[in-house]
Formats: sequence, C-alpha cells, structure tokens
Amino acid sequence: EAGVVQSPRYKIIEKKQPVAFWCNPISGHNTLYWYRQNLGQGPELLIRYENEEAVDDSQLPKDRFSAERLKGVDSTLKIQPAELGDSAVYLCASSARQETQYFGPGTRLLVL
Amino acid sequence: GNSVTQMEGPVTLSEEAFLTINCTYTATGYPSLFWYVQYPGEGLQLLLKATKADDKGSNKGFEATYRKETTSFHLEKGSVQVSDSAVYFCALGFSNTGKLIFGQGTTLQVKP
Repeated sequence: EAGVVQSPRYKIIEKKQPVAFWCNPISGHNTLYWYRQNLGQGPELLIRYENEEAVDDSQLPKDRFSAERLKGVDSTLKIQPAELGDSAVYLCASSARQETQYFGPGTRLLVL
Repeated sequence: GNSVTQMEGPVTLSEEAFLTINCTYTATGYPSLFWYVQYPGEGLQLLLKATKADDKGSNKGFEATYRKETTSFHLEKGSVQVSDSAVYFCALGFSNTGKLIFGQGTTLQVKP
C-alpha cells in the first residue's frame, strides 16, 4: 500500500514569493492534516480536514496561508507571500477517521 | 492546556546499551499517547502507542507504559542498535479531535 505522498521534497524561494505544497493521502483516509515542523521542534498542526471540510484551522496564519482539499482527496497548502520565518518542514498526514496518523516525508522549505 | 515534555538530547549510547527517553505530559481528559520516530531525511513513523492508563505499547524491541499517576510515557529499549539512531517524538492525542501534540523531540545517537 502506498504511503502519504508529498511534493516537492525541497523548495528554495526568495521571500515575498508564493509557494505551494501538494499532498496525496493514503487511499481511503478521509482525514488529512498539515503540520509545520520548525528546526529542532516537534510538528505543530496547521489545519485538519475531514473529507473536503476544514474542521480545525485555528493554527493556520490566514493572512498568508491557505489550503484546499477539493474532492476530499488531494490537498494543497499555499503560502503567499512567503517570509523568512516560514522556513520549515511542512508535513502532511492522513488517517482513517481519527485513528493513527501516517505521515509523508515532508517538504523542506527554505526562504531566502 | 495540553503539552508534552521530553528529555533534552542528544542522547549518545554505545551499541547494546539500555535506552530510556523520558516523556511527561499535561492533559485535560484522557488522551492516547504515542511515540513517533523520524529517521534522517524521512517523515515521522509511528513506533508505538497506548490508548489508556496502564497500557503498554511495544514494537521493534521498544516499549512504553502509559502511567497516569506520574503522567509519563517513557520509551525504553533493552539493547539499542546503530540503526536506532533517529529523532524520537512523544505525542498525545484525543480521538474526538484527531489533533496530535508533540514534544520537541529527542535525538538518539548510537555508536558502534
């Protein structure tokens, strides 16, 4: 069974540029999560989807971050414009309902 | 609020040594507890979990017991291998929200 797929794996951009990350969850998993992991820290939840509905986006900085999960499968997380402090690893995870979460390899973002 | 505290790293051990990584938590309600492992360049992988007090989670020689009286979930392994070198994250989660709260991670280095 394929795991959670994320792309790109690495991204380097200039500050003020936009960037987008893509996630394909495990087949059949209706819950999808985006986390941000700063260097030397544990992941912190940005947003959680149940199917296509964002049910917890309280930690998402909505002035510059947006996310969507059209059709309740793949998801995209966007930052526009990016700031230096956005440099981090962005992790996607999925689960069947609210059972064990399975993580993708992450996208490592560097903002210069 | 809910939080997880892990022992500071890095932890450096010789092969076949005994491992303990301490984890304590603060939570309202009755969370499930998890240990995730992150190998270099990879995403988080679930190592083990426990869903209620006195449960013991175990996998690959690692084990941890959910201790409600001491609010702890310490990770142990009797004989570590070089291949166990990774970052270990303790986390708590609630089944009704699906949200995971992670500790800051503990780096384990095992030397031959």
